[in-house]
Amino acid sequence: GENVEQHPSTLSVQEGDSAVIKCTYSDSASNYFPWYKQELGKRPQLIIDIRSNVGEKKDQRIAVTLNKTAKHFSLHITETQPEDSAVYFCAARNTGGFKTIFGAGTRLFVKA
Amino acid sequence: DGGITQSPKYLFRKEGQNVTLSCEQNLNHDAMYWYRQDPGQGLRLIYYSQIVNDFQKGDIAEGYSVSREKKESFPLTVTSAQKNPTAFYLCASTNSWGGNSPLHFGNGTRLTVT
Repeated sequence: GENVEQHPSTLSVQEGDSAVIKCTYSDSASNYFPWYKQELGKRPQLIIDIRSNVGEKKDQRIAVTLNKTAKHFSLHITETQPEDSAVYFCAARNTGGFKTIFGAGTRLFVKA
Repeated sequence: DGGITQSPKYLFRKEGQNVTLSCEQNLNHDAMYWYRQDPGQGLRLIYYSQIVNDFQKGDIAEGYSVSREKKESFPLTVTSAQKNPTAFYLCASTNSWGGNSPLHFGNGTRLTVT
């Protein structure tokens, strides 16, 4: 069935370093890939998304890359700051459908 | 700010009791969703609704029920048939059916059943 795998489950970096989170998806019809950030006890919030006709997208310190052939997409955070500490979820959706499939999440710790 | 309101934030119930979680949105979104979140897991879809008076089961609908009598409201009832109801419940909406619109989430309801 449809599945999104996310790695690593936990990531610890030093402030100022980069963080990379990787996801793979199974449904080849998926063509919309959002990333959500969830702080402790709060709702997930969209931080960036990418569509299948684009290979890379940047927004300040955050970038997402997509390899449709390999069914991989990744989140890159540069110059990490303590406030980047949170759980990050990748997701995939077939834009002809309704269902957004989520990865299991990555807990990012940024050490000051 | 405008968006999705879930209430209450915390809910405690005794085993065997049904409980209803509220979700209201003022975004004029057509589609609404209920997700369940457990520690260390991603979000799992319980139910979704495309339009008023229509809803469909998600991946883990057993033990849950919903209604969609108004566009802005999508309450979730956790019934006594749900074997492990303690979890964090998130309501969400989108402004189009599928498409490239992201999910907008409410702040969630943390349900504890003892």
